[in-house]
Amino acid sequence: DAGVIQSPRHEVTEMGQEVTLRCKPISGHNSLFWYRQTMMRGLELLIYFNNNVPIDDSGMPEDRFSAKMPNASFSTLKIQPSEPRDSAVYFCASSLVASGDNTDTQYFGPGTRLTVL
Amino acid sequence: SQQGEEDPQALSIQEGENATMNCSYKTSINNLQWYRQNSGRGLVHLILIRSNEREKHSGRLRVTLDTSKKSSSLLITASRAADTASYFCATDAQAGTALIFGKGTTLSVSS
Repeated sequence: DAGVIQSPRHEVTEMGQEVTLRCKPISGHNSLFWYRQTMMRGLELLIYFNNNVPIDDSGMPEDRFSAKMPNASFSTLKIQPSEPRDSAVYFCASSLVASGDNTDTQYFGPGTRLTVL
Repeated sequence: SQQGEEDPQALSIQEGENATMNCSYKTSINNLQWYRQNSGRGLVHLILIRSNEREKHSGRLRVTLDTSKKSSSLLITASRAADTASYFCATDAQAGTALIFGKGTTLSVSS
Protein backbone atom coordinates (compact mmCIF):
# COMPACT_ATOMS: atom_id res chain seq x y z
CA ASP A 1 0.00 0.00 0.00
CA ALA A 2 1.31 3.41 -0.91
CA GLY A 3 1.25 5.78 1.98
CA VAL A 4 0.87 9.52 1.81
CA ILE A 5 3.13 10.86 -0.91
CA GLN A 6 4.70 14.29 -0.73
CA SER A 7 6.86 16.13 -3.21
CA PRO A 8 9.39 17.49 -3.32
CA ARG A 9 11.20 15.97 -0.35
CA HIS A 10 13.59 18.89 -0.16
CA GLU A 11 13.23 22.40 -1.49
CA VAL A 12 15.77 25.19 -1.32
CA THR A 13 14.67 28.54 -2.64
CA GLU A 14 15.45 32.19 -2.33
CA MET A 15 13.39 34.72 -0.50
CA GLY A 16 10.58 36.08 -2.64
CA GLN A 17 10.18 32.99 -4.77
CA GLU A 18 6.98 30.98 -5.02
CA VAL A 19 7.02 27.53 -3.49
CA THR A 20 4.49 24.78 -4.17
CA LEU A 21 4.32 21.66 -2.05
CA ARG A 22 2.32 18.67 -3.21
CA CYS A 23 0.51 15.87 -1.47
CA LYS A 24 -1.23 12.71 -2.58
CA PRO A 25 -3.30 11.24 0.27
CA ILE A 26 -3.97 7.56 0.81
CA SER A 27 -6.61 6.38 -1.62
CA GLY A 28 -10.05 6.35 -0.03
CA HIS A 29 -9.22 8.76 2.75
CA ASN A 30 -11.60 11.68 3.12
CA SER A 31 -9.64 14.05 5.34
CA LEU A 32 -6.37 15.77 4.53
CA PHE A 33 -4.21 17.84 6.82
CA TRP A 34 -1.21 20.13 6.36
CA TYR A 35 1.11 20.56 9.35
CA ARG A 36 4.34 22.46 9.80
CA GLN A 37 7.16 21.47 12.15
CA THR A 38 9.81 23.82 13.47
CA MET A 39 12.17 23.61 16.39
CA MET A 40 10.63 26.65 18.02
CA ARG A 41 6.94 25.88 17.60
CA GLY A 42 6.84 22.12 17.17
CA LEU A 43 4.08 20.58 15.05
CA GLU A 44 1.29 22.92 14.12
CA LEU A 45 -1.76 22.56 11.94
CA LEU A 46 -1.93 24.85 8.96
CA ILE A 47 -5.18 23.76 7.33
CA TYR A 48 -7.35 20.72 6.87
CA PHE A 49 -9.93 19.49 4.39
CA ASN A 50 -12.85 17.13 4.73
CA ASN A 51 -14.15 15.70 1.46
CA ASN A 52 -11.99 18.23 -0.44
CA VAL A 53 -13.56 21.19 1.37
CA PRO A 54 -11.36 23.41 3.55
CA ILE A 55 -12.71 23.26 7.10
CA ASP A 56 -10.20 25.11 9.25
CA ASP A 57 -7.47 27.36 7.91
CA SER A 58 -6.90 29.28 11.12
CA GLY A 59 -3.36 27.95 11.27
CA MET A 60 -2.32 29.47 7.97
CA PRO A 61 0.20 32.13 8.98
CA GLU A 62 -0.84 34.84 6.56
CA ASP A 63 -2.08 35.56 3.09
CA ARG A 64 1.17 34.39 1.59
CA PHE A 65 0.02 30.85 2.29
CA SER A 66 -2.74 29.16 0.30
CA ALA A 67 -3.88 25.56 -0.03
CA LYS A 68 -6.11 23.78 -2.48
CA MET A 69 -7.59 20.36 -2.86
CA PRO A 70 -9.04 20.15 -6.36
CA ASN A 71 -9.88 16.46 -6.00
CA ALA A 72 -9.72 13.62 -3.51
CA SER A 73 -6.27 12.52 -4.61
CA PHE A 74 -4.29 15.74 -4.67
CA SER A 75 -3.57 18.82 -2.60
CA THR A 76 -1.14 21.70 -2.85
CA LEU A 77 0.26 24.16 -0.37
CA LYS A 78 1.63 27.31 -1.92
CA ILE A 79 3.75 30.04 -0.39
CA GLN A 80 4.08 33.24 -2.34
CA PRO A 81 6.32 35.09 -1.73
CA SER A 82 8.44 32.87 0.50
CA GLU A 83 10.42 34.25 3.44
CA PRO A 84 13.29 32.79 5.49
CA ARG A 85 10.96 32.32 8.48
CA ASP A 86 8.94 29.86 6.38
CA SER A 87 11.83 27.40 6.59
CA ALA A 88 10.43 24.26 8.21
CA VAL A 89 9.34 20.72 7.50
CA TYR A 90 5.85 20.58 6.03
CA PHE A 91 3.86 17.42 6.57
CA CYS A 92 0.73 16.23 4.85
CA ALA A 93 -1.47 13.66 6.58
CA SER A 94 -4.66 11.89 5.61
CA SER A 95 -7.30 9.90 7.42
CA LEU A 96 -10.56 8.12 6.87
CA VAL A 97 -13.48 9.11 9.03
CA ALA A 98 -16.12 6.44 8.75
CA SER A 99 -19.76 7.26 9.32
CA GLY A 100 -20.73 6.58 12.91
CA ASP A 101 -17.14 6.16 14.06
CA ASN A 102 -15.53 8.83 16.14
CA THR A 103 -11.96 7.69 15.68
CA ASP A 104 -9.55 8.26 12.87
CA THR A 105 -5.85 7.65 12.57
CA GLN A 106 -3.89 10.24 10.67
CA TYR A 107 -1.17 8.84 8.42
CA PHE A 108 1.69 11.17 7.71
CA GLY A 109 3.79 11.61 4.63
CA PRO A 110 7.59 11.86 4.80
CA GLY A 111 7.47 15.65 4.75
CA THR A 112 9.00 18.38 2.63
CA ARG A 113 12.00 20.13 4.12
CA LEU A 114 11.83 23.73 2.95
CA THR A 115 14.76 26.10 3.22
CA VAL A 116 14.26 29.71 2.21
CA LEU A 117 17.52 31.61 1.87
CA SER B 1 -0.70 26.94 21.45
CA GLN B 2 0.27 23.41 22.29
CA GLN B 3 -2.40 21.21 23.81
CA GLY B 4 -0.14 18.42 25.02
CA GLU B 5 3.02 18.70 27.03
CA GLU B 6 5.29 15.69 27.25
CA ASP B 7 7.47 14.91 30.19
CA PRO B 8 10.37 14.38 30.29
CA GLN B 9 11.69 16.34 27.33
CA ALA B 10 14.57 13.88 26.97
CA LEU B 11 15.15 10.37 28.29
CA SER B 12 18.25 8.20 28.03
CA ILE B 13 18.15 4.53 28.97
CA GLN B 14 19.93 1.26 28.31
CA GLU B 15 18.62 -1.49 26.08
CA GLY B 16 16.28 -3.78 27.95
CA GLU B 17 15.06 -1.10 30.33
CA ASN B 18 11.54 0.30 30.28
CA ALA B 19 10.82 3.83 29.11
CA THR B 20 7.91 5.87 30.42
CA MET B 21 6.78 9.11 28.87
CA ASN B 22 3.97 11.30 30.13
CA CYS B 23 1.65 13.70 28.38
CA SER B 24 -0.67 16.30 29.83
CA TYR B 25 -3.32 18.21 27.97
CA LYS B 26 -5.59 21.12 28.71
CA THR B 27 -9.06 20.66 27.26
CA SER B 28 -11.55 17.85 26.79
CA ILE B 29 -10.58 15.32 24.17
CA ASN B 30 -12.14 12.74 21.92
CA ASN B 31 -9.09 10.55 21.38
CA LEU B 32 -5.44 10.64 22.33
CA GLN B 33 -2.80 9.22 20.07
CA TRP B 34 0.93 8.59 20.32
CA TYR B 35 3.28 8.99 17.38
CA ARG B 36 6.95 8.23 16.87
CA GLN B 37 9.31 10.28 14.74
CA ASN B 38 12.76 9.08 13.82
CA SER B 39 15.29 11.78 13.13
CA GLY B 40 14.59 13.51 9.84
CA ARG B 41 11.60 11.31 9.08
CA GLY B 42 7.82 11.50 9.16
CA LEU B 43 5.53 10.57 12.00
CA VAL B 44 4.48 6.98 12.54
CA HIS B 45 1.26 6.23 14.37
CA LEU B 46 1.74 3.99 17.38
CA ILE B 47 -1.51 3.72 19.25
CA LEU B 48 -4.86 5.44 19.76
CA ILE B 49 -6.81 5.46 22.99
CA ARG B 50 -10.37 6.70 23.18
CA SER B 51 -11.49 9.07 25.90
CA ASN B 52 -13.65 6.35 27.48
CA GLU B 53 -10.74 3.89 27.67
CA ARG B 54 -8.26 3.74 30.52
CA GLU B 55 -5.56 1.44 29.20
CA LYS B 56 -4.49 -0.06 25.93
CA HIS B 57 -1.73 -2.41 24.85
CA SER B 58 0.01 -2.99 21.56
CA GLY B 59 3.04 -5.26 21.56
CA ARG B 60 5.64 -3.69 23.84
CA LEU B 61 3.58 -0.51 24.18
CA ARG B 62 1.20 0.26 27.01
CA VAL B 63 -0.81 3.47 27.08
CA THR B 64 -2.88 4.75 29.96
CA LEU B 65 -5.32 7.63 29.99
CA ASP B 66 -6.64 9.52 32.99
CA THR B 67 -9.19 12.03 31.81
CA SER B 68 -9.76 13.36 35.33
CA LYS B 69 -6.12 14.43 35.43
CA LYS B 70 -5.97 15.18 31.72
CA SER B 71 -2.91 13.01 31.36
CA SER B 72 -1.62 9.97 29.52
CA SER B 73 1.46 7.83 29.72
CA LEU B 74 3.28 5.69 27.19
CA LEU B 75 5.32 2.77 28.46
CA ILE B 76 7.76 0.99 26.18
CA THR B 77 8.92 -2.25 27.72
CA ALA B 78 12.22 -4.01 27.04
CA SER B 79 13.49 -1.10 24.97
CA ARG B 80 15.73 -1.58 21.96
CA ALA B 81 18.18 0.70 20.21
CA ALA B 82 15.67 0.93 17.37
CA ASP B 83 13.22 2.65 19.75
CA THR B 84 15.48 5.71 19.70
CA ALA B 85 13.23 8.48 18.39
CA SER B 86 11.01 11.36 19.44
CA TYR B 87 7.59 10.49 20.79
CA PHE B 88 4.61 12.80 20.57
CA CYS B 89 1.17 12.69 22.04
CA ALA B 90 -1.64 14.24 20.04
CA THR B 91 -5.24 14.93 20.89
CA ASP B 92 -8.34 15.66 18.88
CA ALA B 93 -11.74 17.05 19.80
CA GLN B 94 -13.55 14.97 17.20
CA ALA B 95 -12.73 12.50 14.45
CA GLY B 96 -11.76 14.23 11.24
CA THR B 97 -10.44 17.32 12.96
CA ALA B 98 -6.89 18.49 13.51
CA LEU B 99 -4.53 16.87 15.94
CA ILE B 100 -2.90 19.07 18.53
CA PHE B 101 0.60 17.87 19.30
CA GLY B 102 2.81 18.19 22.33
CA LYS B 103 6.48 19.10 21.98
CA GLY B 104 7.61 15.52 22.32
CA THR B 105 9.98 13.38 24.35
CA THR B 106 13.30 12.47 22.79
CA LEU B 107 14.20 8.90 23.76
CA SER B 108 17.71 7.59 23.39
CA VAL B 109 18.31 3.88 23.91
CA SER B 110 21.91 2.79 24.05
CA SER B 111 23.17 -0.73 23.59
